[in-house]
Order: sequence, then structure tokens, then C-alpha cells
Amino acid sequence: KQEVTQIPAALSVPEGENLVLNCSFTDSAIYNLQWFRQDPGKGLTSLLLIQSSQREQTSGRLNASLDKSSGRSTLYIAASQPGDSATYLCAVLALAGNQFYFGTGTSLTVIP
Amino acid sequence: EAQVTQNPRYLITVTGKKLTVTCSQNMNHEYMSWYRQDPGLGLRQIYYSMNVEVTDKGDVPEGYKVSRKEKRNFPLILESPSPNQTSLYFCASSSVQGRDQPQHFGDGTRLSIL
Repeated sequence: KQEVTQIPAALSVPEGENLVLNCSFTDSAIYNLQWFRQDPGKGLTSLLLIQSSQREQTSGRLNASLDKSSGRSTLYIAASQPGDSATYLCAVLALAGNQFYFGTGTSLTVIP
Repeated sequence: EAQVTQNPRYLITVTGKKLTVTCSQNMNHEYMSWYRQDPGLGLRQIYYSMNVEVTDKGDVPEGYKVSRKEKRNFPLILESPSPNQTSLYFCASSSVQGRDQPQHFGDGTRLSIL
């Protein structure tokens, strides 16, 4: 069964710092990997989606990479801002069964 | 506006009293799904549907039922709720069977079963 792990569970950084969030998964048989943002009391907002055949995706200050063979993905946030404070979740879509598996998230706080 | 709408947003009820959480999307998406989110466990998939009249179990289907009679609606039914189903529930949808398009999530339903 697919297991998705995110480290660290919580992260606090000063404004302006570049940072990296990590996601690892145990089974490389995936369609894609997605990164989401969750604000308190809200649903999830999709940030980036990487197909299994791709290595990375970029959107503004965000860059996500995927190394399927090693079961790892990273989300790089450049020049962090207080508005980036949220919980970041990664999820993989398994090839078998079309199921999604989520990590438990990294809670990010950007200090002004 | 493209959206996934869940109702109710909050519900406190008692053990054994049947309840339904509705989910509706206006994006003509084929794929719809229900998740529960619990502290320390993250989001876990309950049921998903690839299209009308097609549903499959996720990781934690016990105690839940779903139906997909129309493309836009995917209600979650708890026939005899128990306290261990107290959780935050999310509905999501995506197009092209979710494989190359991101999922869109509703704002969540917080259920408390006493």
C-alpha cells in the first residue's frame, strides 16, 4: 500500500528566506504527484501537478520537482512571504485503482 | 465560478441518526471523491467515482455509502453514524479522470457525532 511522508511536520522561517518542503512515497507506480496548500478552516488549493513522466513544474515563486525512481518530490518556495503561511500537502495518484494518497502535511509559518 | 459545494459546513448529531452530506460541482468533472481529515493521519480517501453509476472504495470506506446518479452530485451517506466518524470531510472533483488535471476541493464539512 502506498505511503506518503512529509518532513518536516512544521517549519518556521523569517520572511524572504528560500525554503524546501519534502515529500516521499513508497510506490513509484503513480500517474502524478500534486502539491496543495490548505489554509485554516478552508479546503485545499492545488499549487502544482507533476505528471509521472515530468521532472519539474514551476508557477511563480514555486518550483516542484519529482524523482519517481527514488520516490521523492520537493517543493521549493523562493523569497517567502507571510502570506505563504499555511499547511502544504503532497498527494500521489496511484496507477492501480485510481486512488489518491496524501501526506500529513508541513505547517509553514513565515515570520515578518 | 468553478466550484465544489458541500453542505452542511458544520453538523453536530447523535450516534445512529442517519445523515447525508451533499457535494455538487459545476465543472462537468468525471472524477469525484470523498476524504476525511484527522489530526496526525492526514487526508484519507473514503470513496471515489470515475463517472455516473461507477463508484469504488478508497482506504477507509467502512460505515459510509455513496451514490453517483448524476454527474454533478456525489452525496456521502452515514447510515448509522458513530463517534469515530467525527472528522473533517472534504469532497473533491477533477476532469479527465484526475490523471492530468488537479483536483478541486470543497471547503469542508465538520461533523461531530456524540
